[in-house]
Amino acid sequence: GENVEQHPSTLSVQEGDSAVIKCTYSDSASNYFPWYKQELGKRPQLIIDIRSNVGEKKDQRIAVTLNKTAKHFSLHITETQPEDSAVYFCAASDKGGSEKLVFGKGTKLTVNP
Amino acid sequence: SQTIHQWPATLVQPVGSPLSLECTVEGTSNPNLYWYRQAAGRGLQLLFYSVGIGQISSEVPQNLSASRPQDRQFILSSKKLLLSDSGFYLCAWTTRGGFSNQPQHFGDGTRLSIL
Repeated sequence: GENVEQHPSTLSVQEGDSAVIKCTYSDSASNYFPWYKQELGKRPQLIIDIRSNVGEKKDQRIAVTLNKTAKHFSLHITETQPEDSAVYFCAASDKGGSEKLVFGKGTKLTVNP
Repeated sequence: SQTIHQWPATLVQPVGSPLSLECTVEGTSNPNLYWYRQAAGRGLQLLFYSVGIGQISSEVPQNLSASRPQDRQFILSSKKLLLSDSGFYLCAWTTRGGFSNQPQHFGDGTRLSIL
């Protein structure tokens, strides 16, 4: 089945800097890659997603890039703010049609004011 | 719009007691439903998923079970809780999309503590 690796496990940046979180996946058949943000004690919330027919997607300060050949995708947050501090999870769809997601282990992002 | 409800929000149970967590979805039909567990400071572990009434797939062997008695209701149960069952239990739903995966949307979760 699909395996997703996420790096780094922790990331600390200064307010205003950019943050990048990277994930790799194993199954070349995966076609859907969402990113979730989870604040302490809260539920994970979808922040952006990308499908395999697109190489990049942007939503204000957040962007995701996908390299299908290398089987990796990344989350980019620009002009970080303290409220961006949270745990971020990447995920990849499992084998086609199962509609399951395989999650990375998460990255704890801390934005220092 | 679609909403997902989980209850209770928190639960403290003794070892060996039974468990029943409920999840319901409103505003959509024929959703896929999922149960995840999250240990403190850890990632999301898929426990069960369901693509229809009475259809349950188990991902991890354990003393938990799931049932889907109605289209938009998903129940997580145990006959005898273990200490290792402690965690944050999250229900999620997605629109059934055939070969095109859809985003999963999570409920607010149940924080379960076993004493």
